[in-house]
Amino acid sequence: AQSVTQLDSHVSVSEGTPVLLRCNYSSSYSPSLFWYVQHPNKGLQLLLKYTSAATLVKGINGFEAEFKKSETSFHLTKPSAHMSDAAEYFCVVRGNSGNTPLVFGKGTRLSVIA
Amino acid sequence: GAVVSQHPSRVICKSGTSVKIECRSLDFQATTMFWYRQFPKKSLMLMATSNEGSKATYEQGVEKDKFLINHASLTLSTLTVTSAHPEDSSFYICSASQGGNSNQPQHFGDGTRLSIL
Repeated sequence: AQSVTQLDSHVSVSEGTPVLLRCNYSSSYSPSLFWYVQHPNKGLQLLLKYTSAATLVKGINGFEAEFKKSETSFHLTKPSAHMSDAAEYFCVVRGNSGNTPLVFGKGTRLSVIA
Repeated sequence: GAVVSQHPSRVICKSGTSVKIECRSLDFQATTMFWYRQFPKKSLMLMATSNEGSKATYEQGVEKDKFLINHASLTLSTLTVTSAHPEDSSFYICSASQGGNSNQPQHFGDGTRLSIL
């Protein structure tokens, strides 16, 4: 079985400072990993995905994530937070085919303080 | 890019009403669609997996007679909440998959906010 653990339920940063949202995964085989963002009362938007081609994955809006097999981690980072980054972020793992459902972490709410 | 349209975006109705939510893949064929439910300030919980032309597979604890899923074509899946009650109030989100490798992302609709009075 696969799972993800988001280590922080809430992260608060000041505008212009770095963002770190932590995620650890558990999988019996090489996982497919994603980060999604959800703004209030909205659906989900894909930020980035890990495809095994590169361990450092660049996504939209300046976000990056690094896959570290030795640490079973897939933390999301951004060098400088913007007010518009305030949202809920989900780390997600997937089964071994395109038709298997996603398994979501519990989410991390990011607050950005002016 | 791939787009999934979910309709309606918000529903407010009386207890006992049945509500249908549609999920459409607009520019690709979705062999599989998924229905999730999200409680306030909580993560998404998979309700069921919908495969075109076959019966949906429900997750444990999800009542199949309560939440009817139909996937009649490669671009449309519907979720009907039958005889809805206030405890069914929630945010429902669908996603669609083009299949293929596991690193292909799912594409999500914008969700439906269901409020039962």
